[in-house]
Amino acid sequence: EPEVTQTPSHQVTQMGQEVILRCVPISNHLYFYWYRQILGQKVEFLVSFYNNEISEKSEIFDDQFSVERPDGSNFTLKIRSTKLEDSAMYFCASRRPSSNEKLFFGSGTQLSVL
Amino acid sequence: AQSVSQHNHHVILSEAASLELGCNYSYGGTVNLFWYVQYPGQHLQLLLKYFSGDPLVKGIKGFEAEFIKSKFSFNLRKPSVQWSDTAEYFCAVNSISSNTGKLIFGQGTTLQVKP
Repeated sequence: EPEVTQTPSHQVTQMGQEVILRCVPISNHLYFYWYRQILGQKVEFLVSFYNNEISEKSEIFDDQFSVERPDGSNFTLKIRSTKLEDSAMYFCASRRPSSNEKLFFGSGTQLSVL
Repeated sequence: AQSVSQHNHHVILSEAASLELGCNYSYGGTVNLFWYVQYPGQHLQLLLKYFSGDPLVKGIKGFEAEFIKSKFSFNLRKPSVQWSDTAEYFCAVNSISSNTGKLIFGQGTTLQVKP
């Protein structure tokens, strides 16, 4: 089965630093997502991206966050100035165009903000 | 507001025991329903999904779930669990009218199966 790949698997950063989390979605998918899971809490939707623009974002996705698809294959999540509470597992997901299609998830990037 | 609630946070079973994990959702419109599983150190994988038709859906690895519309529930079941079923299980919904298809997840249930 095709896979969504995420790098790095674990990122440690200092509070206030910028981080970029990288994802390579499945090649024929058109919808892309970022989710996060703070330890012990539920998986939360951050943002969806389609046709080179954000199609929906949650309240969590404030001005500190941005997403980009810089080269047609990568899909990145940038956090400009990390806070302690940004520590979480970040999952990238993608799906084909039909709304009935399942999401394929990557293995996640564990972000630790110190 | 859309929400998904999973009743059991941590379930411990012995091998061969039967499993039922509860899931209720709150949403005003028509939804698609999913169960995802996350094995230790791995990514989220789809177990099964319900879009329409027969409310009893069968998924991989012997799992099934029943959609009961009147109860807004989508409980996951397995007649006889194995040690390899130890994982975290997430119920999720999305709206069929959503342009983005975003999933709303429950808080997850950790299943521990003792050999």
